[in-house]
Amino acid sequence: DADVTQTPRNRITKTGKRIMLECSQTKGHDRMYWYRQDPGLGLRLIYYSFDVKDINKGEISDGYSVSRQAQAKFSLSLESAIPNQTALYFCATSAGGTTYEQYFGPGTRLTVT
Amino acid sequence: GIQVEQSPPDLILQEGANSTLRCNFSDSVNNLQWFHQNPWGQLINLFYIPSGTKQNGRLSATTVATERYSLLYISSSQTTDSGVYFCAVGTSGGSNYKLTFGKGTLLTVNP
Repeated sequence: DADVTQTPRNRITKTGKRIMLECSQTKGHDRMYWYRQDPGLGLRLIYYSFDVKDINKGEISDGYSVSRQAQAKFSLSLESAIPNQTALYFCATSAGGTTYEQYFGPGTRLTVT
Repeated sequence: GIQVEQSPPDLILQEGANSTLRCNFSDSVNNLQWFHQNPWGQLINLFYIPSGTKQNGRLSATTVATERYSLLYISSSQTTDSGVYFCAVGTSGGSNYKLTFGKGTLLTVNP
């Protein structure tokens, strides 16, 4: 089984709808991240969490919110989806401390029409 | 913030050829990772290499932190090597958690 899983893998939704993307990990890592990727670009950080009580904004957090339900679960919500949020979304984890390597989930392809 | 530049942006090879991908960065880093994004969009960890040299099969990577660049070598390329290769870095001073990605190198390996 994959260490970092994301659901759904693909989603098409309409403008104005609320949508939640979910991420679970079995790596036992403390740190979790949400990134988005737009065509032809690298990934950009949306939110990150160092533990259940510590959530921080990344460089492009406007229009998004997150919830860290448990050490192993980190959800990303779009309260009112808009077309320019169409992108590939990745969840990632890292162990924390002086271990910086990040491990990525398979991605969720989101289309907002 | 830190700037990450990858070159070349595109590369087309015949199967069996060797290639070198470069990543330049503008500040000191304590995290550098190379990823392969396959045609299905999945990001595969290749190397965690903030300094030094590592090898894994046909792939190897070298990071010269003092000169702010990293190289990814692919030898005897195969069609399955096609995809986008990303370099991502994290800086020291409290920002090591945040990976800044380059725009990637699109590699196409033809049979």
